[in-house]
Amino acid sequence: DAKTTQPTSMDCAEGRAANLPCNHSTISGNEYVYWYRQIHSQGPQYIIHGLKNNETNEMASLIITEDRKSSTLILPHATLRDTAVYYCIVSSGGGADGLTFGKGTHLIIQP
Amino acid sequence: DGGITQSPKYLFRKEGQNVTLSCEQNLNHDAMYWYRQDPGQGLRLIYYSQIVNDFQKGDIAEGYSVSREKKESFPLTVTSAQKNPTAFYLCASSVPYGGNQPQHFGDGTRLSIL
Repeated sequence: DAKTTQPTSMDCAEGRAANLPCNHSTISGNEYVYWYRQIHSQGPQYIIHGLKNNETNEMASLIITEDRKSSTLILPHATLRDTAVYYCIVSSGGGADGLTFGKGTHLIIQP
Repeated sequence: DGGITQSPKYLFRKEGQNVTLSCEQNLNHDAMYWYRQDPGQGLRLIYYSQIVNDFQKGDIAEGYSVSREKKESFPLTVTSAQKNPTAFYLCASSVPYGGNQPQHFGDGTRLSIL
């Protein structure tokens, strides 16, 4: 699976949009971009995934650049409960052989 | 509700003892996974199983063993050969290989050495 690069930490004001970037310049044509988040002492929670088109669900939006070398996860109206570590992962087959997690981005929502 | 149940939430082990962590899922998923997480780090893959009665080693399988006798269950044994077992252990499941559906995780078991 391709590697990803994320900022170590980010701050965002409550109620504002949180934009989390991820670089995946070596992504292969059949690899999807997945986003998970992990709140302290809990298991990772799936947020969203996409191949090349932008995606939106009830939690977030995923914007993937045309060359697929980077993406941005957008939480439209951040709340204090969105404070967590966010992981960007690229994988084919849903990670059938296991997912490769980096250290992620620690997003802190400020009141 | 469908989901993944890990038990116990906290587990203590004496030096030299084997200990087994439970993972059960009722999502009808074929594939199941065990990951280990150390403080401030991402998850690392220990073992995975894509079908009943079959499993594969992940990146850090030494000192661990698994079984997959039932679709719903994938227990992990931390043996005395694992020299640094204190960690947060996470179990996950997903639909079979070939799709793009995500993995779903349990809430983990925190193992500590007494």
